Amino acid sequence: NAGVTQTPKFQVLKTGQSMTLQCAQDMNHNSMYWYRQDPGMGLRLIYYSASEGTTDKGEVPNGYNVSRLNKREFSLRLESAAPSQTSVYFCAATWTGKETQYFGPGTRLLVL
Amino acid sequence: QQPVQSPQAVILREGEDAVINCSSSKALYSVHWYRQKHGEAPVFLMILLKGGEQKGHEKISASFNEKKQQSSLYLTASQLSYSGTYFCGTEVSGTYKYIFGTGTRLKVLA
Repeated sequence: NAGVTQTPKFQVLKTGQSMTLQCAQDMNHNSMYWYRQDPGMGLRLIYYSASEGTTDKGEVPNGYNVSRLNKREFSLRLESAAPSQTSVYFCAATWTGKETQYFGPGTRLLVL
Repeated sequence: QQPVQSPQAVILREGEDAVINCSSSKALYSVHWYRQKHGEAPVFLMILLKGGEQKGHEKISASFNEKKQQSSLYLTASQLSYSGTYFCGTEVSGTYKYIFGTGTRLKVLA
């Protein structure tokens, strides 16, 4: 039982490159979330998926797209990376929006 | 829309107590508290539900006043292991949208 897993753990991109961050959970939770955390800052919600087949924007969605591939997987795509997207990205899963959030270990992204 | 936490940072000596506050401009129906160690993901501490119920976890407890839209986390007789950043979190009512407070950095010194 791995909980929430994220790949890759660390990535360096050049400005303009694209990439997809992967997240998977084996807890059978309905809702999944993507957050970014800048150094010394709090967690800001990028996108979330209340259930399989639905996605909604969070507080900072610009420059990102998401796909809820199935109940287990929720990916985050950067189409054209910018230095402002340098951050640590956390994926989280929860049974419903009201319950405890379980986090993956994070992906550290550096955009040069 | 993001809940505001106070203080932003606090430094304690081992054995001292601390209170961290979380205040929202929107109605709160539940509040969660998390602790994040440096370089790690946030970890759930406790959940507070409507009714002003106070929950406890060892020497860490919390209260929730839904009328004032506030929650407070109480750390008693702090230990070195309490160091980290504390976040409150809540669902925006009925939306599944989950947001975190601004965070409080806590450092406990020997």
